[in-house]
Amino acid sequence: EAQVTQNPRYLITVTGKKLTVTCSQNMNHEYMSWYRQDPGLGLRQIYYSMNVEVTDKGDVPEGYKVSRKEKRNFPLILESPSPNQTSLYFCASSRTDGPQYFGPGTRLTVL
Amino acid sequence: GESVGLHLPTLSVQEGDNSIINCAYSNSASDYFIWYKQESGKGPQFIIDIRSNMDKRQGQRVTVLLNKTVKHLSLQIAATQPGDSAVYFCAENRKNYGQNFVFGPGTRLSVLP
Repeated sequence: EAQVTQNPRYLITVTGKKLTVTCSQNMNHEYMSWYRQDPGLGLRQIYYSMNVEVTDKGDVPEGYKVSRKEKRNFPLILESPSPNQTSLYFCASSRTDGPQYFGPGTRLTVL
Repeated sequence: GESVGLHLPTLSVQEGDNSIINCAYSNSASDYFIWYKQESGKGPQFIIDIRSNMDKRQGQRVTVLLNKTVKHLSLQIAATQPGDSAVYFCAENRKNYGQNFVFGPGTRLSVLP
């Protein structure tokens, strides 16, 4: 089944404790992206990657890192999480010129 | 700044009626638009897309209309069903190559029995 998977689906952590949210797609898509979704603010892009070793900032990159060492994986790294990063996070992938397909989401709470 | 927005944050329709969800965009250079459906607790689900060289595209029970003159996008759902209840987002690709989408805040569609 073609899909985007994220892990973990739920995470509660404390301020300053580094964490990684994994994202993997099995559709051989070149493009991958991370979004956060907050009430009243909709989906905002954090980082995106157009292919292996090619990443770029989205609209809200502060406090986040990404890497794209393999085509199928695009992990999101929070080096020192803060409470304002409490949010619902979505990973998405697509062909270079096609619609994005989203993962099921990761709900992160930073205490 | 550039933005994608929706005229109505909530929409209630009677089961069986047609629904129309609207979206305004501000970047006249955008050339690719997508509608997504998001059900509670799930990720956004692709519904239909349209490129700027078209003004209408139809799918199964859904139609997207693009009016580039007034920078307006709409999603029409025919014979709305209870399973259509969700939040609907439009998304605009701001770049001419690759992808850099901006999403509207969403419209919640409620289907009344």
